[in-house]
Amino acid sequence: AQSVTQPDARVTVSEGASLQLRCKYSYFGTPYLFWYVQYPRQGLQLLLKYYPGDPVVQGVNGFEAEFSKSNSSFHLRKASVHWSDWAVYFCAVSSHSNNRIFFGDGTQLVVKP
Amino acid sequence: DPKIIQKPKYLVAVTGSEKILICEQYLGHNAMYWYRQSAKKPLEFMFSYSYQKLMDNQTASSRFQPQSSKKNHLDLQITALKPDDSATYFCASSQEGFNERLFFGHGTKLSVL
Repeated sequence: AQSVTQPDARVTVSEGASLQLRCKYSYFGTPYLFWYVQYPRQGLQLLLKYYPGDPVVQGVNGFEAEFSKSNSSFHLRKASVHWSDWAVYFCAVSSHSNNRIFFGDGTQLVVKP
Repeated sequence: DPKIIQKPKYLVAVTGSEKILICEQYLGHNAMYWYRQSAKKPLEFMFSYSYQKLMDNQTASSRFQPQSSKKNHLDLQITALKPDDSATYFCASSQEGFNERLFFGHGTKLSVL
């Protein structure tokens, strides 16, 4: 069955530092993968999505993610974190058989000044 | 302007009562969904609808009943409310088809006393 695992419930980085949020997926075949962000008291918004093709995907606000089939991973990266990036980040995988998207448990990003 | 409207934003109910959560989307999408977010399960898929027909139901309890009176509406009726139902309920929509990105509303925060 398809699923995603985000091993880090909380990540703390200093403003201006680089960031990596981890995501491991379980899927038979080639998955469609997403990263969503949830700012306080708001719904989720799409950051980026991966469809089969170039393994590095560019998203909004300087975020990118790299798909690795050998590692079953889809980690999110940013070169320089801003305080406004403080939010919860969700990795998700889409099922080919129905229109359901499975979300990970989320990673809370805390940005230190 | 918000494209997915959820009403009300906050809702307090007593145990055993019944409530309806409203969702309207103005994106022209044919697929709509309900998700639930609580401390126990960060983001949990509940239902998906396509062209006003139920496509997928992952909610074990029949106390949760989606209602689609119009193409761009998907309300959620909850009966015999329990404290465990306390959560934020998110409505989402997407273009019809697999692997399309989801657009989320801001959520209805339900507290059951």
